[in-house]
Amino acid sequence: DAKTTQPPSMDCAEGRAANLPCNHSTISGNEYVYWYRQIHSQGPQYIIHGLKNNETNEMASLIITEDRKSSTLILPHATLRDTAVYYCIVTVIYGGATNKLIFGTGTLLAVQP
Amino acid sequence: NAGVTQTPKFRVLKTGQSMTLLCAQDMNHEYMYWYRQDPGMGLRLIHYSVGEGTTAKGEVPDGYNVSRLKKQNFLLGLESAAPSQTSVYFCASSNGAGRSNQPQHFGDGTRLSIL
Repeated sequence: DAKTTQPPSMDCAEGRAANLPCNHSTISGNEYVYWYRQIHSQGPQYIIHGLKNNETNEMASLIITEDRKSSTLILPHATLRDTAVYYCIVTVIYGGATNKLIFGTGTLLAVQP
Repeated sequence: NAGVTQTPKFRVLKTGQSMTLLCAQDMNHEYMYWYRQDPGMGLRLIHYSVGEGTTAKGEVPDGYNVSRLKKQNFLLGLESAAPSQTSVYFCASSNGAGRSNQPQHFGDGTRLSIL
């Protein structure tokens, strides 16, 4: 299973862009990069995912390097409500039938007023 | 917009008691999952299901059983609760025919304490 490496914590000023890095140097060609976040005591919330190309949705942008060994999640205008643990996950086919999310310890993003 | 609903939200059990956690989804998803989350750790997969009537073991299945009698429901059972099963349990569902490009959507969890 491809592993991911994230910094344990980051700070960001409210209204500024938050750039969260993730290293996944052992990713294989058919594995996707997913980002989830977990706000204290709530269930993980899906943010975005991608395979090769950069992706953008209403929540965030995902930038994947050309060699796919790393990626960056960008929250364009961070708010206090974005304070959460952010998980970068590489999915694998598990049991031949479904994808398995391997959650690491993530990055605690603290948005400061 | 209910999404994934878990009941109960909190429960305290005594060692040896049994209980069932219920997960219901209204998104017509084929796949459903049960995870547990312990302090300072990420989520670990207990069991999952790829469709009505089917279940499979995840990475930490011991001490748990599951059933998927209806597509929208996925039940997690503890036959004889142990203190090591004190945890927060999350249910998730997703769509897609075995491809890894369908996100999982999570419920808000069940906080279970075993005394």
